[in-house]
Amino acid sequence: AQSVSQHNHHVILSEAASLELGCNYSYGGTVNLFWYVQYPGQHLQLLLKYFSGDPLVKGIKGFEAEFIKSKFSFNLRKPSVQWSDTAEYFCAVTVPLRGGKLIFGQGTELSVKP
Amino acid sequence: EPEVTQTPSHQVTQMGQEVILRCVPISNHLYFYWYRQILGQKVEFLVSFYNNEISEKSEIFDDQFSVERPDGSNFTLKIRSTKLEDSAMYFCASSSTAYEQYFGPGTRLTVT
Repeated sequence: AQSVSQHNHHVILSEAASLELGCNYSYGGTVNLFWYVQYPGQHLQLLLKYFSGDPLVKGIKGFEAEFIKSKFSFNLRKPSVQWSDTAEYFCAVTVPLRGGKLIFGQGTELSVKP
Repeated sequence: EPEVTQTPSHQVTQMGQEVILRCVPISNHLYFYWYRQILGQKVEFLVSFYNNEISEKSEIFDDQFSVERPDGSNFTLKIRSTKLEDSAMYFCASSSTAYEQYFGPGTRLTVT
């Protein structure tokens, strides 16, 4: 069965610091990969996605992620975080042509200190 | 921008009672999903629905759960006899392609 693992449960950064959140998945075949963000009191929003092609994908709000197939990883990065990036971040995968069921990691809570 | 909506935002019910959680997916979407998140745990897939039938369900989605699309706009999740462990945030999602899902704000279900 597929699973997703996020390395950090809670990350605390100061504004302007760089961010990298780890995500690894277990599945031997082709996957679609996603990062979702949940701001306090709001619903899950799609940050970025990878289906195929360039393994470096750019999303909204200056986020990017790199798919490294050999490492089964899809880490999220941002060069300089802002206080408004405080949120919970979820990595998720789906297996194409299997109905779109999302399998989520446990989430990483990011706190950015002003 | 179209959004998925869910009602109620918070539902409190007693153990053994039936609850219906409601979702209005984005209007031209064809794939519908329910997920739940127990406090402090992962977001878990419950069920997917396409073409008026369940396309996939998880082990969590036992006989106590059912889904329905009673009309052209609503998508409901029914829990027949709630248990304490059903307390969670329930998220509805919809998609036009089964690849990119849009989530609603969730319904917090508290079973006492």
